[in-house]
Amino acid sequence: GIQVEQSPPDLILQEGANSTLRCNFSDSVNNLQWFHQNPWGQLINLFYIPSGTKQNGRLSATTVATERYSLLYISSSQTTDSGVYFCAVGNSGYALNFGKGTSLLVTP
Amino acid sequence: DGGITQSPKYLFRKEGQNVTLSCEQNLNHDAMYWYRQDPGQGLRLIYYSQIVNDFQKGDIAEGYSVSREKKESFPLTVTSAQKNPTAFYLCASRDQASSGNTIYFGEGSWLTVV
Repeated sequence: GIQVEQSPPDLILQEGANSTLRCNFSDSVNNLQWFHQNPWGQLINLFYIPSGTKQNGRLSATTVATERYSLLYISSSQTTDSGVYFCAVGNSGYALNFGKGTSLLVTP
Repeated sequence: DGGITQSPKYLFRKEGQNVTLSCEQNLNHDAMYWYRQDPGQGLRLIYYSQIVNDFQKGDIAEGYSVSREKKESFPLTVTSAQKNPTAFYLCASRDQASSGNTIYFGEGSWLTVV
């Protein structure tokens, strides 16, 4: 299956700081999604972004499909941004392959 | 409310027992999935189903079984053959007909073998 590598594995930020999370994948994909898992385990879809750039409030994401990577930007981080961020990729007709995630802690 | 409902939220199982986790969705999605998550790890695919009465093994199907008799329901049975079943189990669904292709998750079920 498609391999997904996320970096960094862990990140600690002070409130207000900006950060960039990276996702590299091993093959061409037509589905790429970013998720946030909160401390209670709930996975929330942030972006569906197989290519291009999207923004939603303080979050934005860019996928460069030809170079097989995606970036998630968090600006002006808040304590509620804490949790684990997952990148997941796939092709039509199959499920998503997940990376191991980036664990983010935002301190006051 | 539309969404995916998993039950129970917490479950304890004795070794040697089978247990079934429920997953129901009212989103009218065709595809449904079961993933397993271990502490500090990503999600690994157990089974998926793209249509009623059809399902396929994922990467770690050994020791698990599923059924898809109704579009809205995709229960997962963790059998006694699963050697290390303690984990967090997540059910998901996707509307393959939409251009968004977004996958949605339930709140998960924590299974502990005692």
